[in-house]
Amino acid sequence: AIQMTQSPSSLSASVGDRVTITCRASQDIRNDLGWYQQKPGKAPKLLISAASSLQGGVPSRFSGSGSGTDFTLTISSLQPEDFATYYCLQDFNYPLTFGGGTKVDIK
Amino acid sequence: EVQLGESGGNLVQPGGSLRLSCAASGFIFSDHYMDWVRQAPGKGLEWVGRIRNKANSYTTEYAASVKGRFTISRDDSKNSLYLQMSSLQTEDTAVYYCARAPRMAVAGIVYYYMDVWGKGTTVTVSS
Repeated sequence: AIQMTQSPSSLSASVGDRVTITCRASQDIRNDLGWYQQKPGKAPKLLISAASSLQGGVPSRFSGSGSGTDFTLTISSLQPEDFATYYCLQDFNYPLTFGGGTKVDIK
Repeated sequence: EVQLGESGGNLVQPGGSLRLSCAASGFIFSDHYMDWVRQAPGKGLEWVGRIRNKANSYTTEYAASVKGRFTISRDDSKNSLYLQMSSLQTEDTAVYYCARAPRMAVAGIVYYYMDVWGKGTTVTVSS
């Protein structure tokens, strides 16, 4: 199975900060990567598909980049509602695998 | 409104069985692939499995951790998805989510990402 390694596992940031989360795949997955946001007690929400395609209704401060094995989720200016845990997901092949998550909390 | 709602979660003893259901509304259920994803207490997300649509022969895929113990099925006439779980272990304790995985085309390439999720149902495996 493809392993997805996210870093950091947690970070503290302030409102207005630029935040970058990385995800590394154990093998080339082209751009078959999605990013999800999960708030406590809630279901995950799809933010980005195909590494960089923003889902409808997702604020433009979120962006994704990368291909092959290295991917990045960037929040250009962190807002109060962005404090959450973020997961990457590879759908290059089965079994699908998530990264371990990055918890973003308030500094 | 597009909605998914899981049910059937319960406390079950190790070695036992349980069947989860997911009721879909607000979209053409039969068109879509459907997934199960779980989350153990305080842990990350784990993909459990997928069932494709009729056009793709209702074929299934599973995570290694559940293969041979869990079975995903669907009844398009009832807009329902199921997860039959057997030989349950304490490690199967989790919130189980069902999710829709629609066909998405980006730059001519087809993807299937989970875009609508239910609120989850809790399965606890304990003696």
